[in-house]
Amino acid sequence: NAGVTQTPKFQVLKTGQSMTLQCAQDMNHNSMYWYRQDPGMGLRLIYYSASEGTTDKGEVPNGYNVSRLNKREFSLRLESAAPSQTSVYFCASSALAGGYNEQFFGPGTRLTVL
Amino acid sequence: SQKIEQNSEALNIQEGKTATLTCNYTNYSPAYLQWYRQDPGRGPVFLLLIRENEKEKRKERLKVTFDTTLKQSLFHITASQPADSATYLCALLRMDSNYQLIWGAGTKLIIKP
Repeated sequence: NAGVTQTPKFQVLKTGQSMTLQCAQDMNHNSMYWYRQDPGMGLRLIYYSASEGTTDKGEVPNGYNVSRLNKREFSLRLESAAPSQTSVYFCASSALAGGYNEQFFGPGTRLTVL
Repeated sequence: SQKIEQNSEALNIQEGKTATLTCNYTNYSPAYLQWYRQDPGRGPVFLLLIRENEKEKRKERLKVTFDTTLKQSLFHITASQPADSATYLCALLRMDSNYQLIWGAGTKLIIKP
């Protein structure tokens, strides 16, 4: 039981390049989330998927797209990376959406955009 | 807008003492408040959840209180150990969303032997 896995662990991009961050969970959770974490700031929600087949914008969606490929997988795409997107990205999942449900986090992807 | 404030300065505590971390929030009375632990280079790990009608919640050496009048939650670790050293995050549900959490920036706790 791996929980939430993310790939890659580290990535360096040049401005304008694109990439997809992959996330998978094996806990049969309905809801999945993408966050970014920057120094001195709280986690900020980029996009979330309350259930399979739905996705919604979070607090900071600009410059990102997501795909809920199936119940297990939720990917985050940067179409044209910018230095402001340098951050640590975390994927999380929960059994159901909502503040009553604890979230399980992956190990993170450390992204640097030059 | 909603805000969560946690002490940005690291908290240094002697081993064996009780560590108390604070989470203050504004402009909202959340139904739930969650606490997480984050170690360097790792994702957050859930610790405790407390509901607005619960004044206190305990789990082993951990205790969380929730004062909706003061708009504050306190997180206590009793008999602290060096292994408790980490950053502790609080999170609450956004008032305009059923699903989105707002997160504090966290407080770094250092337990000295």
